[in-house]
Amino acid sequence: GAVVSQHPSWVICKSGTSVKIECRSLDFQATTMFWYRQFPKQSLMLMATSNEGSKATYEQGVEKDKFLINHASLTLSTLTVTSAHPEDSSFYICSAARLAQETQYFGPGTRLLVL
Amino acid sequence: GENVEQHPSTLSVQEGDSAVIKCTYSDSASNYFPWYKQELGKRPQLIIDIRSNVGEKKDQRIAVTLNKTAKHFSLHITETQPEDSAVYFCAASTGGYGNKLVFGAGTILRVKS
Repeated sequence: GAVVSQHPSWVICKSGTSVKIECRSLDFQATTMFWYRQFPKQSLMLMATSNEGSKATYEQGVEKDKFLINHASLTLSTLTVTSAHPEDSSFYICSAARLAQETQYFGPGTRLLVL
Repeated sequence: GENVEQHPSTLSVQEGDSAVIKCTYSDSASNYFPWYKQELGKRPQLIIDIRSNVGEKKDQRIAVTLNKTAKHFSLHITETQPEDSAVYFCAASTGGYGNKLVFGAGTILRVKS
């Protein structure tokens, strides 16, 4: 397999603040990573595709100015939730695949609670 | 775009029985179909996947079948155990590196001992 980590594992913040979540591929390089959001008892909804060295591709309905994605290296992608509001509270999960392979491995997720 | 439907939404079986979860997809270009198992509060973990050039794949108690003509694929778990209890997600992709997965809604599997 392949190991993907996320940090932090959980975060509580006040409404209006920004929160940064890191996704790292620990034992492989990935030019593409994916960010998902999962609400309780629901499926994984793709938010955006993170591309190393270029702009992220956002899914329809996802505000790119609110969910900032930076993929600065072959092992790190970050998701920043700007001006977070209670409705942004969710489980955020990233995934990545080894170069030239299609199997995606998921990070452990970050639970965000906005008060 | 791709749409994946998954049934049933919940499934309860007695320990030792078999469990079958079915998914259908809409995009005939999809050619990669993974299944993930997610325990409460944990990350989804790949349990098996199949590509469109294969009709069936088996790994111990888990098997996946694919019918390209009907555009559906199924997960079969035999001799279920309590530790199989989790949420199972199917997904579809046009395959290749960097191509996104479209997930089904998930199936809650409960194995009663």
